[in-house]
Amino acid sequence: DTAVSQTPKYLVTQMGNDKSIKCEQNLGHDTMYWYKQDSKKFLKIMFSYNNKELIINETVPNRFSPKSPDKAHLNLHINSLELGDSAVYFCASSQDPRETQYFGPGTRLLVL
Amino acid sequence: RKEVEQDPGPFNVPEGATVAFNCTYSNSASQSFFWYRQDCRKEPKLLMSVYSSGNEDGRFTAQLNRASQYISLLIRDSKLSDSATYLCAVIFSSNTGKLIFGQGTTLQVKP
Repeated sequence: DTAVSQTPKYLVTQMGNDKSIKCEQNLGHDTMYWYKQDSKKFLKIMFSYNNKELIINETVPNRFSPKSPDKAHLNLHINSLELGDSAVYFCASSQDPRETQYFGPGTRLLVL
Repeated sequence: RKEVEQDPGPFNVPEGATVAFNCTYSNSASQSFFWYRQDCRKEPKLLMSVYSSGNEDGRFTAQLNRASQYISLLIRDSKLSDSATYLCAVIFSSNTGKLIFGQGTTLQVKP
């Protein structure tokens, strides 16, 4: 069974579109995260939720909005997609903010 | 200065070699330290947590030097399957779990 899953795996879309990426974890963890890995392979935190409460909100354009309907899910909605949004987006989870984070397989987003 | 810095490499070593990576971090109040491994087009996977006393897992040894603010990873008897990117990661704040990654060090083990 996949511990942290993301859908879709690949997403190709046009500039200006709105898209969502979904993440689910079946580990019973309380904390979930979104990371962006750009073309230079640099992995950077975007958001974190602990028990459905936003605890990390890095300097990310407000076109990006995370939503956590419950502790097992953290979705990422992106409005008005831009070329620079092309990257791999990873979801992760941990038991609590001090513990090891486990990553999903990533969503490869390409904006044309 | 970047918050977490690594030499990106690549490190090209023959099978059986011993190779060491270092990683420096800027925040002296950092709480937790990790080494992750990332294969091409895959997600990062935890290799080891790094403890103050140092820890070993088979051919892999991790060390933490708080005074000099660096962590290290030593791989002995390198295998072809060790070829990957090794990411060091540091939690600056245990309240938020904000994990800061280095840019990764690429290792290529050759026959």
